[in-house]
Amino acid sequence: GALVYQYPRRTICKSGTSMRMECQAVGFQATSVAWYRQSPQKTFELIALSTVNSAIKYEQNFTQEKFPISHPNLSFSSMTVLNAYLEDRGLYLCGARDEVYEQYFGPGTRLTVL
Amino acid sequence: QQQVRQSPQSLTVWEGETAILNCSYENSAFDYFPWYQQFPGEGPALLIAIRSVSDKKEDGGFTIFFNKREKNLSLHIKDSQPGDSATYFCAASNSGTYQRFGTGTKLQVVP
Repeated sequence: GALVYQYPRRTICKSGTSMRMECQAVGFQATSVAWYRQSPQKTFELIALSTVNSAIKYEQNFTQEKFPISHPNLSFSSMTVLNAYLEDRGLYLCGARDEVYEQYFGPGTRLTVL
Repeated sequence: QQQVRQSPQSLTVWEGETAILNCSYENSAFDYFPWYQQFPGEGPALLIAIRSVSDKKEDGGFTIFFNKREKNLSLHIKDSQPGDSATYFCAASNSGTYQRFGTGTKLQVVP
């Protein structure tokens, strides 16, 4: 079956430091990956869409300078939160799509910023 | 720009009652509507989903009613149990877009 793993599941970083999180698709080819953020008590905001061999498209209020994404192959994507501050805390969700546009979600990486 | 909205923001029902959660969307091109259940501290889990070619989908005690003309849908949780207490998210997408999540409804089922 199709699964999406995310690492780490939970992480804590000091304010002003950076944190890298990973997303791995197993059992299917992730032709594109979407990264979402759920801030405390809120819904899931789309951060960016990443397609292999194409430019990454960032949503309004999110930038490559703050959330650089790497998507080197059809099973792996990573995103870094640079200079993390309190407002960056939350659950970061990876959603990967296969060739027939079925979307699979990972369990998320929960980021705490001290 | 919130493309998918949910109401109510929070809902309390008694055990055994049917909980009704509402969702509306703006983009008429959306054709796939999943519902997710999220418990505190966890990621969202797919509960049930419907495609726009159908107007009803049932799975266990969960039923989606879909109205394409009005661009809204609802999730009915029959015989609600305290274990159903969670936040429920409606999402929407089509073959060319990623899922957009709704604002969420926090459900509490009181024994």
